[in-house]
Amino acid sequence: DAGITQSPRHKVTETGTPVTLRCHQTENHRYMYWYRQDPGHGLRLIHYSYGVKDTDKGEVSDGYSVSRSKTEDFLLTLESATSSQTSVYFCAISEFLDSSYEQYFGPGTRLTVT
Amino acid sequence: RKEVEQDPGPFNVPEGATVAFNCTYSNSASQSFFWYRQDCRKEPKLLMSVYSSGNEDGRFTAQLNRASQYISLLIRDSKLSDSATYLCVVNTLSGGYNKLIFGAGTRLAVHP
Repeated sequence: DAGITQSPRHKVTETGTPVTLRCHQTENHRYMYWYRQDPGHGLRLIHYSYGVKDTDKGEVSDGYSVSRSKTEDFLLTLESATSSQTSVYFCAISEFLDSSYEQYFGPGTRLTVT
Repeated sequence: RKEVEQDPGPFNVPEGATVAFNCTYSNSASQSFFWYRQDCRKEPKLLMSVYSSGNEDGRFTAQLNRASQYISLLIRDSKLSDSATYLCVVNTLSGGYNKLIFGAGTRLAVHP
């Protein structure tokens, strides 16, 4: 299994509070991604990173920000959590940006916003 | 219309059965296709890539029909351990970069 961890694994928070999720990899892969998964939807890309301090938006980036200060860490921040951000969040990594290559996923973080 | 569509199931089949899943995609320029498997409350993992000529990996066979823009996955001799959700995944060019588009998944339940 690829060396990807996410923390926390579960979190319950209140509307309006800031939340930061962490993704840590030991594979030294250049590309990292944050997805959210909701019932009836496929995984949807929130943000991705193509190197230290290099990030870009995905299809559902509103309300989220990211940072990558080290190759191994990619942080996802919800500045002011809303109930619509209740979801399962997956981090993924890949060696290449070309999407003909496999992405490896972390174990996920279950976030509930009350 | 969703970019990648799958029948959500569930498909309930007995052990030993053959089951087929289909998936359709909307972007005719898509180049790469995959099936991922996701166990309950776990992360997705790559099951197999799908090639134009079709490909087989043990009991699993994947087919691609570019003209009709659909992908299939056939599982023969189903095992209890095959119970999972199968995600159809398509790469597409969007917003200036290639990205993976995931279907919502088809759930398979194999019973004794």
